[in-house]
Amino acid sequence: GQNIDQPTEMTATEGAIVQINCTYQTSGFNGLFWYQQHAGEAPTFLSYNVLDGLEEKGRFSSFLSRSKGYSYLLLKELQMKDSASYLCAVVDSNYQLIWGAGTKLIIKP
Amino acid sequence: GAVVSQHPSWVICKSGTSVKIECRSLDFQATTMFWYRQFPKQSLMLMATSNEGSKATYEQGVEKDKFLINHASLTLSTLTVTSAHPEDSSFYICSAREREGIYEQYFGPGTRLTVT
Repeated sequence: GQNIDQPTEMTATEGAIVQINCTYQTSGFNGLFWYQQHAGEAPTFLSYNVLDGLEEKGRFSSFLSRSKGYSYLLLKELQMKDSASYLCAVVDSNYQLIWGAGTKLIIKP
Repeated sequence: GAVVSQHPSWVICKSGTSVKIECRSLDFQATTMFWYRQFPKQSLMLMATSNEGSKATYEQGVEKDKFLINHASLTLSTLTVTSAHPEDSSFYICSAREREGIYEQYFGPGTRLTVT
């Protein structure tokens, strides 16, 4: 079967750095997305990785290792508005998005 | 950027009635649209995938006669919840993909359905 694992919840302090991990086992791989979802709102796109390595975009960076079936989202200089759920999703061999359950990130002052 | 709208943003209806939710791609043509349902504190659950001009493909466990999907044009898909019951109360989100080979999905703002 297809499986994507993320921690259910994480807590971090404003101004700090947090890394949210995602491991996957899917039938094929055509890329991995990270989305941010605030409570009561739809997901918004953060990043897309299809090659190994680190992609940096402002305060957010995303890393992928295809051989390990592993990705992480790194958030720097945390702000209170970063409190949200972060969803990892993998594009499988049928070009369908397989969603993780999401990681709820709580930022404390 | 690509914008997807949904209407209504929230709706309250009585048990047994039907509700239609519209999903529109505003500045691009969407060959494929997706309908998701999300219960509180849970992740997105894909309900169905629809391609313009063809029948929707429903995920296992989703009743196609209860959740009617029509993808009438490249910019509009509708989801009709027929004979709604309180257990259908949920957050319904649509997303659209511009064309084959583009994997990113652009999400609508969601529709909060409450069935009383």
